[in-house]
Amino acid sequence: EAGVAQSPRYKIIEKRQSVAFWCNPISGHATLYWYQQILGQGPKLLIQFQNNGVVDDSQLPKDRFSAERLKGVDSTLKIQPAKLEDSAVYLCASSSSRRRGDTEAFFGQGTRLTVV
Amino acid sequence: DAKTTQPNSMESNEEEPVHLPCNHSTISGTDYIHWYRQLPSQGPEYVIHGLTSNVNNRMASLAIAEDRKSSTLILHRATLRDAAVYYCILRDVAGSGNTGKLIFGQGTTLQVKP
Repeated sequence: EAGVAQSPRYKIIEKRQSVAFWCNPISGHATLYWYQQILGQGPKLLIQFQNNGVVDDSQLPKDRFSAERLKGVDSTLKIQPAKLEDSAVYLCASSSSRRRGDTEAFFGQGTRLTVV
Repeated sequence: DAKTTQPNSMESNEEEPVHLPCNHSTISGTDYIHWYRQLPSQGPEYVIHGLTSNVNNRMASLAIAEDRKSSTLILHRATLRDAAVYYCILRDVAGSGNTGKLIFGQGTTLQVKP
């Protein structure tokens, strides 16, 4: 089966600019996650969707970050305006069900963002 | 969120077994123990998971202590391609309000020497 697709793979922007990342999860997966991974650290969960509804966005900096998952399939994560500390890899993952502890999550390759 | 503790780094020789420990003393009865690994410049990938019994798959084995307060990921014969960061995660999806999220810690960086 096709994996989780993310684009772009790399992005360089200047601070105060805006940027958007796109994720296409595995077909049929209801749960979608966005993570931020700063160099040398483990991934940090930003937001979790169940279908097109937000389940958890407690770690999302809502003054500058936004995310949507229209129609419960693809998702977009946006940063506006970007800060230097937003430089990180942004990972998207999907899972078939959030209610089953024995299901695995599948991750995309990530988008490496550099803010200069 | 239930917390896990892992050593920051470990070394192994190629073709030898590797035992990666994880402590999770505050584990609840409904937490599943998941292991993921992250190769350089890749997204994390699933390795194995278990609830109470030991588990085996083509990648690894998972040994779970009887009291479930610790677990060990076992790579039977390490190869150079196993060099990665290994994350031990507790995933609880029971009860209302639980979201099934995967919370990553710092993980264990495994170095494999030829």
